[in-house]
Amino acid sequence: QKEVEQNSGPLSVPEGAIASLNCTYSDRGSQSFFWYRQYSGKSPELIMFIYSNGDKEDGRFTAQLNKASQYVSLLIRDSQPSDSATYLCAVKVDSWGKLQFGAGTQVVVTP
Amino acid sequence: EAGVAQSPRYKIIEKRQSVAFWCNPISGHATLYWYQQILGQGPKLLIQFQNNGVVDDSQLPKDRFSAERLKGVDSTLKIQPAKLEDSAVYLCASSPIGGQGRVGEKLFFGSGTQLSVL
Repeated sequence: QKEVEQNSGPLSVPEGAIASLNCTYSDRGSQSFFWYRQYSGKSPELIMFIYSNGDKEDGRFTAQLNKASQYVSLLIRDSQPSDSATYLCAVKVDSWGKLQFGAGTQVVVTP
Repeated sequence: EAGVAQSPRYKIIEKRQSVAFWCNPISGHATLYWYQQILGQGPKLLIQFQNNGVVDDSQLPKDRFSAERLKGVDSTLKIQPAKLEDSAVYLCASSPIGGQGRVGEKLFFGSGTQLSVL
């Protein structure tokens, strides 16, 4: 079983600060990595994807990938109360599009 | 653009009863997924269809779960008989085939069916 590991949290972040979320994966052959946001009682929604080593920025979100260390992270800058949610790391584990999800990290942004 | 439709939204049954969930994906999306999400855990893939063919059902408990996708459009997931540990949210998702034939690059989830087995 290919594993995706995340700290469960909760990660408490003051409003305006940077939230840093980490994810490690076991399948060295994985090529595509995703971050989904899930509000309580709602379904996951895609917020970021990254394929290449390095950083990818989209608004207040930055995804970072290090394939050698099998590590992907998500930074949320200028955190807002509306960012309070569970963030799911997902790794594409085959060419058919199967995603392996981590258990998620709960983020709580405090005013 | 209409999203992924699922029904029912909630279902309460007793153990050993049967239950069925329905999903209608976004029009034109070739890939359809059923995920099980137990409280506090990430979604776990139960079955994945490409058009009306199964490409992965390795984690589907086939002694009690079944799924079909007739005509490559909507899909049903059935549990018979249900166990207490089947209590979870059942999420349907669909995905288009992207550039260079890439699959699973963006999943669109339905609102899910929350199942409680008593």
